[in-house]
Amino acid sequence: GQNIDQPTEMTATEGAIVQINCTYQTSGFNGLFWYQQHAGEAPTFLSYNVLDGLEEKGRFSSFLSRSKGYSYLLLKELQMKDSASYLCAVTRRSGGYQKVTFGIGTKLQVIP
Amino acid sequence: EPEVTQTPSHQVTQMGQEVILRCVPISNHLYFYWYRQILGQKVEFLVSFYNNEISEKSEIFDDQFSVERPDGSNFTLKIRSTKLEDSAMYFCASSEGLGGRETQYFGPGTRLLVL
Repeated sequence: GQNIDQPTEMTATEGAIVQINCTYQTSGFNGLFWYQQHAGEAPTFLSYNVLDGLEEKGRFSSFLSRSKGYSYLLLKELQMKDSASYLCAVTRRSGGYQKVTFGIGTKLQVIP
Repeated sequence: EPEVTQTPSHQVTQMGQEVILRCVPISNHLYFYWYRQILGQKVEFLVSFYNNEISEKSEIFDDQFSVERPDGSNFTLKIRSTKLEDSAMYFCASSEGLGGRETQYFGPGTRLLVL
């Protein structure tokens, strides 16, 4: 089976940096997504890591260590609009197709 | 920018009734997915679809569910006899392919309420 763990809630201050961690256990690991989801809305794609290391995209960076089953999402220069849930999702190959399993999500509250 | 669209945005139905949720994936995408999210819970995979057939389905996707691509653009999820616990947000997603083109783009969702 698969197991994905991430903190359920975090609070950070506007302008600061926050790191959201995700650990996972899965067989046939293929890659790891981070999605942002505002309340009542669809998940929107942030990043996709397949190889180890850090990938930077503007204010958002994502890191993956496959040997440790660990990823983090780093948000810099936090803005109030960054208040949302951040979903870690692991993909694995299954019979030539891709299956995605989501974590519960980390609800981030940005305060002034 | 191309996006996944879904209709209706909201659907209210009586228990036991059939509902059809509709999705138009991004036009050059080949893989299609349905997910559901019960209020306050995580996004759950239901089914993936490729080349006009189901490629994978979860244990949630039992005999009351079916998917279809009736024409070149639409992708539908049918729930045959709705139950109270089917009340959730249903998201359609699509991806271009595999091997680096796996990013799944989500539609805005259909909020289903079963009374």
